[in-house]
Amino acid sequence: DTGVSQNPRHKITKRGQNVTFRCDPISEHNRLYWYRQTLGQGPEFLTYFQNEAQLEKSRLLSDRFSAERPKGSFSTLEIQRTEQGDSAMYLCASSLEVGLDEQFFGPGTRLTVL
Amino acid sequence: AQKVTQAQTEISVVEKEDVTLDCVYETRDTTYYLFWYKQPPSGELVFLIRRNSFDEQNEISGRYSWNFQKSTSSFNFTITASQVVDSAVYFCAILPMFSGGYNKLIFGAGTRLAVHP
Repeated sequence: DTGVSQNPRHKITKRGQNVTFRCDPISEHNRLYWYRQTLGQGPEFLTYFQNEAQLEKSRLLSDRFSAERPKGSFSTLEIQRTEQGDSAMYLCASSLEVGLDEQFFGPGTRLTVL
Repeated sequence: AQKVTQAQTEISVVEKEDVTLDCVYETRDTTYYLFWYKQPPSGELVFLIRRNSFDEQNEISGRYSWNFQKSTSSFNFTITASQVVDSAVYFCAILPMFSGGYNKLIFGAGTRLAVHP
């Protein structure tokens, strides 16, 4: 399977715990994006990487959130001290650098904070 | 402001009916791209179409067609002869080229389409 993969697919945690999600983009894609989708809403942009550089962060990304993309390959999104409001689907997407290519999305990680 | 409005929250049709999903957008940019994505129950967003702001030509792909009208800031999506497999949530999105940042898609809230046998 050469699509975008995300792990884990589901995560249940207690409030106050830290969680980390992983995204593996399509191998030749330089651009990587994180979005958050809450129930009944469309995805909302969180952050964007071009190779290993994090070039943009949304205001939605509070200081409890941190994303990395070491070596410009896979990316991780960590949420510290989770809150119930963090419960959502976290989607990763990737695209080619050349031109305007469509973003290919992974299956998402569904986070439930109890 | 950059915004996408999908006024239809849910649509229910019987198989073989035609259905149109509405999308209205707002942007300051003169150059932008519009997209439609499908999200089946499995959750993964599936790309359907991209259209740039300078190309108002309508497009047909099999049972799918898209009507882009800049004058009304609309990019509507029609499924002809709907099938049960079309049941999903459909998202319209805009990518403003200058004020939107780095390829940041702005999505509408989605329209849930249920096609019944």
